[in-house]
Order: sequence, then structure tokens, then C-alpha cells
Amino acid sequence: ETGVTQSPTHLIKTRGQQVTLRCSSQSGHNTVSWYQQALGQGPQFIFQYYREEENGRGNFPPRFSGLQFPNYSSELNVNALELDDSALYLCASSLPDRYEQYFGPGTRLTVT
Amino acid sequence: GNSVTQMEGPVTLSEEAFLTINCTYTATGYPSLFWYVQYPGEGLQLLLKATKADDKGSNKGFEATYRKETTSFHLEKGSVQVSDSAVYFCALSDLIGSARQLTFGSGTQLTVLP
Repeated sequence: ETGVTQSPTHLIKTRGQQVTLRCSSQSGHNTVSWYQQALGQGPQFIFQYYREEENGRGNFPPRFSGLQFPNYSSELNVNALELDDSALYLCASSLPDRYEQYFGPGTRLTVT
Repeated sequence: GNSVTQMEGPVTLSEEAFLTINCTYTATGYPSLFWYVQYPGEGLQLLLKATKADDKGSNKGFEATYRKETTSFHLEKGSVQVSDSAVYFCALSDLIGSARQLTFGSGTQLTVLP
């Protein structure tokens, strides 16, 4: 059984640029969630995708957007990067009727 | 809104010591509760869960009991090992729209010394 994978592992961007992060869900999981984890803090929910539609969003601005593809993989896009966007971005997959989520290793984004 | 409060770290213990990490929550209704562990440079791993009051979750020697009366879900282990050194996160389930999402505490850093 393949776990959740994310790419790239690390990324350095300049303020104002745009970034795309990618995630492949665990085999059989059709729901993908994205979280932002700032240094020394717990993860914060960004949004969740199910059946290629966003079905819930946390307290993040519209410049954070996403996609889910028919194979359940997902992308997180962040426009107009700000210094405070520097964080570990975690993808998690799950079944739609279950609360437990399974996390990937994350993408470390640094904005300079 | 819903929230999770964890005991502040860092926590440093000697090998074979008893571990308790406190977690309390505020929530409407009866959420499912989780403990996740994060090893250095890695993502979060689900350690254990409990879905209703008085349920005990357990895994790898760790245990936590869902206490509705005290809104708590404290993590315990009878004898820690050096390999247990990590950051531990308590979390509760929540609904935003139709999304089942997790609300996390701020994490507790555990260091176990040989």
C-alpha cells in the first residue's frame, strides 16, 4: 500500500511569486486535505477536496487555491507569496466518511 | 470555535520513565480525538484515536482515554524509550462545511535521554 507522497521536498521562493505544491493520496483515499504548519506550531487546516471540489476551507485568503484530479491527487497553489507563508505544507488523505487522516512528509516552503 | 490545549513543553525524561502529556479540548458535540506524532523532518503519523466517551485508544505502548466529564484526552506511556523522542500533537475532529478536518494543539516536544 502506497502512502501519501508530496513534492517537492523543499522550495525557496521570493515574495510576490507563485508556487504549486503536489500531493498523491494514499491508495483508495479519495479525500485530500491541506494544512499549513508554521515553525513550532500545530498544523492549521487550509482546505479539503472531495470529488474534485473544495468542500470546506479554513481561515485562509483566496490566494490559497487548490485542485483535485480524477486520480485523487491534488495541488495547492499560493499566489502573491508573503514572508509569513514560510511553513511546512502538509497534505493528508482520508476516506470521506472517516475523521482520521494520513499525512505525507510535507513540503518545506521558504519565502525570502 | 473548537480548540485543543496541550501541556507546554519541552518535556525531558530518562529512558524507562513514565510519560504523561496533558490534552484538554473545547468543542460542541462529541468530536473524535487523536494523538499524532511527528519525528524530526517528517510529517505527522497517527498514533491513536478514540471516537466516543470512555473509549481508550492504544498503540505502541501509548494509551489515551476519552474523558467527556473533564474534556480531556491525556497521552500516557509506562516506559519511554529514546526512540519515542518526537513532537506529539493532540487533535480533535471538526466539520467545516462538509469537510471533516482536524484541529490541532500546539504540540509537545518530548526528549528521552539514555
